[in-house]
Amino acid sequence: SQELEQSPQSLIVQEGKNLTINCTSSKTLYGLYWYKQKYGEGLIFLMMLQKGGEEKSHEKITAKLDEKKQQSSLHITASQPSHAGIYLCGADRALLGAGGTSYGKLTFGQGTILTVHP
Amino acid sequence: GAGVSQSPSNKVTEKGKDVELRCDPISGHTALYWYRQSLGQGLEFLIYFQGNSAPDKSGLPSDRFSAERTGGSVSTLTIQRTQQEDSAVYLCASSFMGAGTDTQYFGPGTRLTVL
Repeated sequence: SQELEQSPQSLIVQEGKNLTINCTSSKTLYGLYWYKQKYGEGLIFLMMLQKGGEEKSHEKITAKLDEKKQQSSLHITASQPSHAGIYLCGADRALLGAGGTSYGKLTFGQGTILTVHP
Repeated sequence: GAGVSQSPSNKVTEKGKDVELRCDPISGHTALYWYRQSLGQGLEFLIYFQGNSAPDKSGLPSDRFSAERTGGSVSTLTIQRTQQEDSAVYLCASSFMGAGTDTQYFGPGTRLTVL
């Protein structure tokens, strides 16, 4: 089973609408990375959350970490076509509360495909 | 360069041939990672380098896959006797020291197609 589950798997919205993508851990979630990927390209780092209750924003994208719910949410306000792409959450074993040595081996969710219609 | 670079961007090969994929990490980054992204499998870890050593090769799918890193910089992922199931996007990432909280920066990937 997937350690990190993203929902929804895909999302189609009209330009200007707000949307939320969730990433839920089957284990403890101390922190999380959010990346964005455009088709055929690499991953672009968006932000990293390192502690429960933390909230970070970059332009119109806000991410929050709810440690109790073992979940992070990514919220986009007033979406634009430039927001379209695949959003991926990822975490290292230390951030998932697993034991052993931590060295950045990331486990990723399956991704959420976002389409924004003009 | 400013970011992680990979070459080639696209590679089409015939089944049974060997291929080499190259990754140039961000200068000064000691940690380097290879991941594979394929339909139905998502993004999977392949191998981790710290300097020129590979403490974790656990994600390499078979002994046809190998990787090396020289000079603490460039890394090459080699796939011998390619199979159709090797078709995927191969992504390289680097981070400053390899801590779990060090941000990993990804390259654009190499799209491998095995005919």
